[in-house]
Amino acid sequence: GAVVSQHPSWVICKSGTSVKIECRSLDFQATTMFWYRQFPKQSLMLMATSNEGSKATYEQGVEKDKFLINHASLTLSTLTVTSAHPEDSSFYICSARRLGGNEKLFFGSGTQLSVL
Amino acid sequence: KQEVTQIPAALSVPEGENLVLNCSFTDSAIYNLQWFRQDPGKGLTSLLLIQSSQREQTSGRLNASLDKSSGRSTLYIAASQPGDSATYLCAVLKNQAGTALIFGKGTTLSVSS
Repeated sequence: GAVVSQHPSWVICKSGTSVKIECRSLDFQATTMFWYRQFPKQSLMLMATSNEGSKATYEQGVEKDKFLINHASLTLSTLTVTSAHPEDSSFYICSARRLGGNEKLFFGSGTQLSVL
Repeated sequence: KQEVTQIPAALSVPEGENLVLNCSFTDSAIYNLQWFRQDPGKGLTSLLLIQSSQREQTSGRLNASLDKSSGRSTLYIAASQPGDSATYLCAVLKNQAGTALIFGKGTTLSVSS
C-alpha cells in the first residue's frame, strides 16, 4: 500500500523559532499534498493545498507568510512554521494524492508541535 | 460551504456491544465519503470509502452506509472490542479533481472490557 512518511512526529520549540515538518511519499509520486491542522477536540482543518512545482493555495484565515509550504518534488512537501508562538501548538498532518491514482488520499502519521 | 457533523461526540460501551456512529453533511454533492480511525496523537487509518453511487461498504466487523440525498452516513461496529477504542472521523470529498477532504470533529469511542 501507499506510504506517507511524516517527521518529526513531535517537536518542542521555543517561541520565536521556526520549525520544519517534512512529508514524503515513499512508494508513489504525489501530485498534490494537503496540510491539515487539528486542535484538541476539533476536526482536522485544511490549511493549504500544494501542487508540485507551483505555489500552495492557502485556506482563508491561514497566513501564507507564517506557514511556508514547499512542494519541490513529487515525493516531498514541507511545512515550515515561522516565528512559532504558543497558539501555533497543534497537531499537523499531511496527506498525499497519488499521481494517476484515484481520489483516495494517504495520510502521514502527524506531527505534534508544542511551542513554549 | 460543506459542513460535516458527527454525533455523538463521545460514546462509552461495554465490550461486545454493537454500535452506530452517525455522520451528516450539508452539501449532498459529494464524490465520496470516508471513515477514518485516529488513535491519540497518531495519524489516520482509512477504514472504509464509499463512492457517491454506492449505498454501503463492509470490512470485517465494520459496515458503513451512505444516503447521499439526505446527507447522512452511519458506521456500524459489530461486537465491539477494547481495541476499537479510538476517535472515528467522517470525511467527504467534493470531487476528484484535487480537492481536499472535509472532516467532522469525530466520535471518541471507549470500549470497556
